[in-house]
Amino acid sequence: DIQMTQSPSSVSASVGDRVTITCRASQGIRSWLAWYQQKPGKAPKFLIYGASSLQSGVPSRFSGSGSGTDFTLTISSLQPEDFATYYCQQTNSLPRTFGQGTKVEIK
Amino acid sequence: QVQLQESGPGLVKPSGTLSLTCAVSGGSISSRNWWTWVRQPPGKGLEWIGEIYHSGNTNYNPSLKSRVTMSVDNSKNQFSLKLSSVTAADTAVYYCARSVYITIFGVVMDVWGQGTTVTVSS
Repeated sequence: DIQMTQSPSSVSASVGDRVTITCRASQGIRSWLAWYQQKPGKAPKFLIYGASSLQSGVPSRFSGSGSGTDFTLTISSLQPEDFATYYCQQTNSLPRTFGQGTKVEIK
Repeated sequence: QVQLQESGPGLVKPSGTLSLTCAVSGGSISSRNWWTWVRQPPGKGLEWIGEIYHSGNTNYNPSLKSRVTMSVDNSKNQFSLKLSSVTAADTAVYYCARSVYITIFGVVMDVWGQGTTVTVSS
């Protein structure tokens, strides 16, 4: 199985801050990575595929980058609705695996 | 747009079998997608359980494979999950999702149900 490791586990930030979350794969997965956002009590929401391509309707303040084993999700200017937990998922192979999540909290 | 809705008992006894169904609306389950189950224990992260194609082909998480059975009912536009020999560790929110293959970028879960809580307890 491909293990996905996110860091940090949580981050405290203020509205308007730039936030970066890292995801590392245990082996190379090219650009086969997706990101999801989950708010408390809600289902995950699909944000990004192919490491850097935004799903339709996702605000442009979200961006993704990376390839191989190291990836980042960046929120350029944090908005109140962005406080949530973010998960990466490798789309390269079975079984499909997620990172453990990064919680973005209000500072 | 496609919507998914999970249903099933919220309480299952230890050693019993968890059974859930996901109803697909706004689209056909026979489309070229995989249909997926993901679970989330209280306060924890997401775990992929497995996926099924409308033809009945399945892929399961090896960690659960011996206890998981998925099926699809094309006439009812729904798919199902059975998890046997459950323990308290299987207590979780269970989500169904649509998995789509994006050319050269792999399989992503682009539409999710709202989730259903299943508690394993006597």
